[in-house]
Amino acid sequence: EAGVAQSPRYKIIEKRQSVAFWCNPISGHATLYWYQQILGQGPKLLIQFQNNGVVDDSQLPKDRFSAERLKGVDSTLKIQPAKLEDSAVYLCASSRDVTYEQYFGPGTRLTVT
Amino acid sequence: QQPVQSPQAVILREGEDAVINCSSSKALYSVHWYRQKHGEAPVFLMILLKGGEQKGHEKISASFNEKKQQSSLYLTASQLSYSGTYFCGTEVSPGDSWGKLQFGAGTQVVVTP
Repeated sequence: EAGVAQSPRYKIIEKRQSVAFWCNPISGHATLYWYQQILGQGPKLLIQFQNNGVVDDSQLPKDRFSAERLKGVDSTLKIQPAKLEDSAVYLCASSRDVTYEQYFGPGTRLTVT
Repeated sequence: QQPVQSPQAVILREGEDAVINCSSSKALYSVHWYRQKHGEAPVFLMILLKGGEQKGHEKISASFNEKKQQSSLYLTASQLSYSGTYFCGTEVSPGDSWGKLQFGAGTQVVVTP
């Protein structure tokens, strides 16, 4: 079974630029999560999708972050404009359904200069 | 609210045991445990549901004390492969937060030969 795919793996941008991350979850997984992991900290949930609907986005900085999950499969996370404090690893995870174990992708390491 | 993990770090020799604790100030529905090696994605270890259920994964086991809102992860007869950062993710009583995990700051485990 293929795992969660993410791209790009690394991205370096200047502040105020925009960036987008892509995630392809495990086939058949209804729930998709985006996390932000700052160095030395645990993952922080940004947004949770159930199929193509948003379940929770209470910790998503909506003035600059946006996310969508088209047709309940792939998802993109966008930051516009980026700030220095956005430097982190952005992890995508999926699960069969809510309350099941989550499988994480390799992440995208974002550096904002 | 983020659960509190202790200790922050532990150094073991191969074959030694260790316990990692995860405490919450809120009533918990489930606790998830993950291990993350440097530069890699978190890997699922086990889920514990309220009810004091104990589970195991190889020589790693965990318990959930519902009264104390605390979970403990037991590393028994540690192996070099156990090195990494262990995170607990807690899910409060279900409702509008199905599947939403709050992760602790992590416990760094180093197993030496």
